[in-house]
Amino acid sequence: TQLLEQSPQFLSIQEGENLTVYCNSSSVFSSLQWYRQEPGEGPVLLVTVVTGGEVKKLKRLTFQFGDARKDSSLHITAAQPGDTGLYLCAGGGADGLTFGKGTHLIIQP
Amino acid sequence: GAGVSQTPSNKVTEKGKYVELRCDPISGHTALYWYRQSLGQGPEFLIYFQGTGAADDSGLPNDRFFAVRPEGSVSTLKIQRTERGDSAVYLCASSPGGAGSYNSPLHFGNGTRLTVT
Repeated sequence: TQLLEQSPQFLSIQEGENLTVYCNSSSVFSSLQWYRQEPGEGPVLLVTVVTGGEVKKLKRLTFQFGDARKDSSLHITAAQPGDTGLYLCAGGGADGLTFGKGTHLIIQP
Repeated sequence: GAGVSQTPSNKVTEKGKYVELRCDPISGHTALYWYRQSLGQGPEFLIYFQGTGAADDSGLPNDRFFAVRPEGSVSTLKIQRTERGDSAVYLCASSPGGAGSYNSPLHFGNGTRLTVT
């Protein structure tokens, strides 16, 4: 079973600050997806990375896939209250799509 | 267009009862997934359909859980003799991907919150 560990589990910061959350595994994944989930709703895909070392930007969000395709990071610049949510990473591989437990992010105005 | 629809949005049942949870995927999506999400946790894989057949049911926790997709569109997750530990949000997702589509992005519904009392 491929396991994904996300850190930190909880993060509460002030509006305007920068932050990075991490997704780590001992397994290699063929792709890695990041989702954002709000209370009462299903996860919504933010980005998919497939190449080791790949960096993708989505406005103030920067996603990076590790060179060895075992880990990923999400960096948010100048966080806003609308960024509040549960951020989930999910690795694709032979065992299917495996989700981490997520990072609960709260941006305080 | 319409997204993934799940009904009911909430279900409260007594221990030992039988429940059915329904998922209407996005039209034309061949792949359909069921996940279970407990409070504070990430989604846990249950079963994956490609068309009408269950391509991978390795995540079903025991034989009380069963899912069908008879016409390759709507799917029903069935839980027999419910237990309090079955309480969770059951999420359905669909994807346009074909065989080996585990890397395709998933489109999730809002889930069914099941509470077993």
